[in-house]
Amino acid sequence: GAVVSQHPSRVICKSGTSVKIECRSLDFQATTMFWYRQFPKQSLMLMATSNEGSKATYEQGVEKDKFLINHASLTLSTLTVTSAHPEDSSFYICSAPIIGGKGPAEKLFFGSGTQLSVL
Amino acid sequence: AQSVAQPEDQVNVAEGNPLTVKCTYSVSGNPYLFWYVQYPNRGLQFLLKYITGDNLVKGSYGFEAEFNKSQTSFHLKKPSALVSDSALYFCAVRGGQAGTALIFGKGTTLSVSS
Repeated sequence: GAVVSQHPSRVICKSGTSVKIECRSLDFQATTMFWYRQFPKQSLMLMATSNEGSKATYEQGVEKDKFLINHASLTLSTLTVTSAHPEDSSFYICSAPIIGGKGPAEKLFFGSGTQLSVL
Repeated sequence: AQSVAQPEDQVNVAEGNPLTVKCTYSVSGNPYLFWYVQYPNRGLQFLLKYITGDNLVKGSYGFEAEFNKSQTSFHLKKPSALVSDSALYFCAVRGGQAGTALIFGKGTTLSVSS
């Protein structure tokens, strides 16, 4: 069945380095990918929406030069945290919808998340 | 603008007792409402959703939720709690067309004691 595969599940990096997080849609084509960020014991905050073949749409307050999103194919979207700092440490989750069926029915699939720790 | 409120940071219940996790929403137009559960350092697991139809929605693991339009609520319920139900629960909403992002509540930690 449809799955969103997210890697890595956990990454520890030094301050100033860049980290790439990948989300792949398995058995379906993800024209859209949502990227969320979650601080400990807090809600998921939508960071950006990526669409295959076009520029990502960032939510207010999210630095697009800091969080680079690429959605070059229908099965792969990547989030790169550039020049990471300790305050970027967080849990990042991707999500892709499958739209189809009657009316507004859809299914939404989440990756398993990436725990980023910046030292 | 769409928003979701989960008024309780934590809910404590004894195993075998009924549980309720509260959620209210604000959205223009018809709401599409969801409940997800998250275990520590894990992704989200889908529990149930309301799109249209019966106000009482049954989902995974014995959970159900009741959509109340007049109270703009979508409380999550389970008749008999299990210790294994202890986790972080998120209510989410989206309005508008299919394929738009979900807006999540802040989450409620459910603790079931044996």
